[in-house]
Amino acid sequence: SQQGEEDPQALSIQEGENATMNCSYKTSINNLQWYRQNSGRGLVHLILIRSNEREKHSGRLRVTLDTSKKSSSLLITASRAADTASYFCATDSTNFGNEKLTFGTGTRLTIIP
Amino acid sequence: DTAVSQTPKYLVTQMGNDKSIKCEQNLGHDTMYWYKQDSKKFLKIMFSYNNKELIINETVPNRFSPKSPDKAHLNLHINSLELGDSAVYFCASSQEGGFYEQYFGPGTRLTVT
Repeated sequence: SQQGEEDPQALSIQEGENATMNCSYKTSINNLQWYRQNSGRGLVHLILIRSNEREKHSGRLRVTLDTSKKSSSLLITASRAADTASYFCATDSTNFGNEKLTFGTGTRLTIIP
Repeated sequence: DTAVSQTPKYLVTQMGNDKSIKCEQNLGHDTMYWYKQDSKKFLKIMFSYNNKELIINETVPNRFSPKSPDKAHLNLHINSLELGDSAVYFCASSQEGGFYEQYFGPGTRLTVT
């Protein structure tokens, strides 16, 4: 079953504005990761936040994690046209003792120049 | 230097044919994965190998057979291709398991006619 679900499914904003995407998941996790996928390309890892962390920053990215609500958010500040992409959250889970990542449905972000 | 490479990038074939996709990583990772991304961009894990050993098989039809000749390579062979196999297939690698970020290849777009 699908673990993560992103909200919104699609988001269009003006360049320079901030973009916020949310991810909800169902079961307990060890970590949550965010990935970006440009059209026609593979996924690129952005940031990993562990279950005992509440907030993490990387450049213009800020990720929060609320394990009590089973949710995470990704904030991109001062958006640029190059940020146009799909963004996925991924949660780890254990499959008979082996960890795997389960990806959410993704948010399609469009930055309008 | 490409970290995770896949060949071919595009594959168009007819129903019933057998085809293979190759993947190589030069990151020294122990774990490699195959994912399938459908037309709705939903990304689902198919297989995971750790040091040439199959550790995750996500109820994929047995027409799909992964092979790992060494820990830097993970190939995917598909027998008797069906229309529903049309998708983008991604190879990825990571340090052990879901605790670490994954590095994705550029994807192979498979079209079955």
